[in-house]
Amino acid sequence: AQKVTQAQTEISVVEKEDVTLDCVYETRDTTYYLFWYKQPPSGELVFLIRRNSFDEQNEISGRYSWNFQKSTSSFNFTITASQVVDSAVYFCALSEGGRGSTLGRLYFGRGTQLTVWP
Amino acid sequence: NAGVTQTPKFQVLKTGQSMTLQCAQDMNHEYMSWYRQDPGMGLRLIHYSVGAGITDQGEVPNGYNVSRSTTEDFPLRLLSAAPSQTSVYFCASSYSQGQGDYGYTFGSGTRLTVV
Repeated sequence: AQKVTQAQTEISVVEKEDVTLDCVYETRDTTYYLFWYKQPPSGELVFLIRRNSFDEQNEISGRYSWNFQKSTSSFNFTITASQVVDSAVYFCALSEGGRGSTLGRLYFGRGTQLTVWP
Repeated sequence: NAGVTQTPKFQVLKTGQSMTLQCAQDMNHEYMSWYRQDPGMGLRLIHYSVGAGITDQGEVPNGYNVSRSTTEDFPLRLLSAAPSQTSVYFCASSYSQGQGDYGYTFGSGTRLTVV
């Protein structure tokens, strides 16, 4: 079974629309870390956010916000007033950090291709 | 600049050839790992290391070998390349300093084509 599920394969929006990317994860560990990465057409992985399992505070950074809900094992990402430059593949990832041997392993979702049209 | 350096950036191999993808980090991170990215599959873990001399398999280890003789270097070896190994490969290093301080740094990737 996949540890990280991104059910949305592709999303298209028009500039200035809000868009939410869904991420559902699965783990038995009580200590874990969740990440979001952006991969623009150039191919590099750009770190966006890390959230620890013991910190359920939602976070806002400019037009980006993240909603972490342990009750539903979800870590969703919202872009407000989307822009063409937001077009990219977005990955959600999980690292189970309860033991030394599990650190250093990231489980990625399959990614969501976001296209923002002008 | 501090970070993770991967070489080469592009490589074309013939089926059956061997090669080594190089990965080096200068941040003194404990953990290093290799991922492959295939269309529609996300990134999948090939091998990882929790310190010099210690390696373990990830989700898709077949056809690949690794070793970690130093903290800085974590090369990935393809013993006999196959077309199924055509992919983009990413190396990453990571650290954990307790108190929830945990981070990853990725290299820029190697695009490998096996013909």
